[in-house]
Amino acid sequence: DAGVTQSPTHLIKTRGQHVTLRCSPISGHKSVSWYQQVLGQGPQFIFQYYEKEERGRGNFPDRFSARQFPNYSSELNVNALLLGDSALYLCASSFPQLDSAGTTDTQYFGPGTRLTVL
Amino acid sequence: AQRVTQPEKLLSVFKGAPVELKCNYSYSGSPELFWYVQYSRQRLQLLLRHISRESIKGFTADLNKGETSFHLKKPFAQEEDSAMYYCALSGRASGTYKYIFGTGTRLKVLA
Repeated sequence: DAGVTQSPTHLIKTRGQHVTLRCSPISGHKSVSWYQQVLGQGPQFIFQYYEKEERGRGNFPDRFSARQFPNYSSELNVNALLLGDSALYLCASSFPQLDSAGTTDTQYFGPGTRLTVL
Repeated sequence: AQRVTQPEKLLSVFKGAPVELKCNYSYSGSPELFWYVQYSRQRLQLLLRHISRESIKGFTADLNKGETSFHLKKPFAQEEDSAMYYCALSGRASGTYKYIFGTGTRLKVLA
């Protein structure tokens, strides 16, 4: 398994434009999460989808939206881009599981998409 | 408000010295706590999680609910431990699920 894959690797857009980022989870994982990472900061949680339903949402404006498809891949859409949206966007997949230690939601991260807004 | 605080941006230690990376959290409820690590030119990956109480690569972390801390420790640092370390928590708050990362601590182990 190649792990979590994301496309594209890099993207340059101008203010006001729209962008779509894509993510394919690890085979068997039913949950996908999206994060924004600005230089010098930790990943900021945007959304989590589980079985095609939104399970969690961070503090991001409505310009950010996402969806999950029947094959569990996901898209993150950002409308009306601002300069401040320039960041590394990380996708992570997980299969919330119950093992002997309890329920856990370990995130398996992709390499990220570097978005630059000019 | 839910928050994860890592007070040190950079921690430098000599090889063989003990290491402690601090993590404090603020959360109303019973979160799950994690440490993630990012080695140079690699993806962010799980190091350990509090519910499994395991030791990974010599690192341990104990959840202290009274002090709301989850510090990462290793008795003898190695050069290959040099990396970026993130503390994180997951859980439900205000009816929605969240996964919150700290700002990270860069660990440099000097020869």
